Amino acid sequence: TQLLEQSPQFLSIQEGENLTVYCNSSSVFSSLQWYRQEPGEGPVLLVTVVTGGEVKKLKRLTFQFGDARKDSSLHITAAQPGDTGLYLCAADPGGSQGNLIFGKGTKLSVKP
Amino acid sequence: EADIYQTPRYLVIGTGKKITLECSQTMGHDKMYWYQQDPGMELHLIHYSYGVNSTEKGDLSSESTVSRIRTEHFPLTLESARPSHTSQYLCASSELGGDLYEQYFGPGTRLTVT
Repeated sequence: TQLLEQSPQFLSIQEGENLTVYCNSSSVFSSLQWYRQEPGEGPVLLVTVVTGGEVKKLKRLTFQFGDARKDSSLHITAAQPGDTGLYLCAADPGGSQGNLIFGKGTKLSVKP
Repeated sequence: EADIYQTPRYLVIGTGKKITLECSQTMGHDKMYWYQQDPGMELHLIHYSYGVNSTEKGDLSSESTVSRIRTEHFPLTLESARPSHTSQYLCASSELGGDLYEQYFGPGTRLTVT
C-alpha cells in the first residue's frame, strides 16, 4: 500500500514566523499536489509539482519536489492568520487514471 | 474559480432513512469522485466515474451507491443510513485527459446519523 506521511501533524505558530511542513513516501510519484482545506470547506488546490527537484513559489509559499520524486516540502515565509488551515499533499501513483492518494494533512494554526 | 456544488451542506438524520447527497459541476469535467473524510484521517475514495453511465468503487468499501446520468451530476445515495455513516462527504471533479489530474472539490456535506 502506498502511503503519504505528513509531518508535523499539528503546528501552532505566531504571525510572522516561518515554517516548513513535509510530505514523505517510499514510493515514486509522477506528480504531487498540495491542497489547503479550511474548516467546513473542501480542499483547494495550491500547486502541482511534476519534475524531480522542482521548486514552485506562490506568494509566500514555496513548494519543492524531491529529486527522487518521493517527497515534497511546503515552506511558508512570514505566516499570517489567513494561512490557517489543513494542508494536504496528494500524489498520483501512476496508472490510476487520476485516482490520487492523500496524506492525513498538517493542521496549521497561525495566531495573531 | 472552480464551480462544483454540494447540497445539503449539513444533514442530521435518523437511522434507517434513505438519503441522497447531491453534487454538480459546471466545468464539463468527465471524471468525478466521492471521498469520505473523518477528523485526523486521510481522504478515502469511495466512488468515482469516468463519465456518463460509468461508476466504479473506490479504495474504501462503502454501502452507498452512485449514478452518473448526466456529465454534470454525480449524486450519492444511502438506502438506509446508520450511525457508522456519520462523516464528511466530499465531491470532486477533474479533467480526464492530461497528466496532472488536478482535482476540484465541492464544499462538502457533513452527515450525522443519529
